[in-house]
Amino acid sequence: AQTVTQSQPEMSVQEAETVTLSCTYDTSENNYYLFWYKQPPSRQMILVIRQEAYKQQNATENRFSVNFQKAAKSFSLKISDSQLGDTAMYFCASNTNAGKSTFGDGTTLTVKP
Amino acid sequence: ETGVTQTPRHLVMGMTNKKSLKCEQHLGHNAMYWYKQSAKKPLELMFVYSLEERVENNSVPSRFSPECPNSSHLFLHLHTLQPEDSALYLCASSRGLAGGPTFTDTQYFGPGTRLTVL
Repeated sequence: AQTVTQSQPEMSVQEAETVTLSCTYDTSENNYYLFWYKQPPSRQMILVIRQEAYKQQNATENRFSVNFQKAAKSFSLKISDSQLGDTAMYFCASNTNAGKSTFGDGTTLTVKP
Repeated sequence: ETGVTQTPRHLVMGMTNKKSLKCEQHLGHNAMYWYKQSAKKPLELMFVYSLEERVENNSVPSRFSPECPNSSHLFLHLHTLQPEDSALYLCASSRGLAGGPTFTDTQYFGPGTRLTVL
């Protein structure tokens, strides 16, 4: 069975500062993808960033980057220069080789002005 | 945000009512999903369809009945619901292949239907 754990139900950060959201996962698969999705208040959930498990290089998308530690099964999301529009619920997710998706319970991030 | 649409956006129904939720994707994807999002369990996968065939059913009560007439449309028929079924119901789609979703699939979500059962 696949599990995804987000240990921080809520976090806050000052505008322009950096914040890191934690995610750990457990899988017996050798090949899988990891994802961070963002769900702003009353808006649609969208993909933030994704990482292929067999790639050692950490994925980066503008202000968003991940710290992927495969041996530790850790996949944290770093948001640099936080903006008010980053306020949202963030979900960590993993896909197995069979295409099954498992989501964490989410972390609610509030960016304060 | 027009890739995946859902109607209605809000729905209030009594426990004896029958209603349906509709999802449409305009992305040419092969796989479609229903999720339930509530405060107690943030994201629960309910059903997965691949090319109109159900490939996953996560022990969902029979009062929820999915229907996928083609790869662009997905319905969730609701009948004799309970107050604890009140939640946000999210539809998603992904590229998938003939056999179902693949591990590379990114999911694209709709805005959800906020359901309240009285």
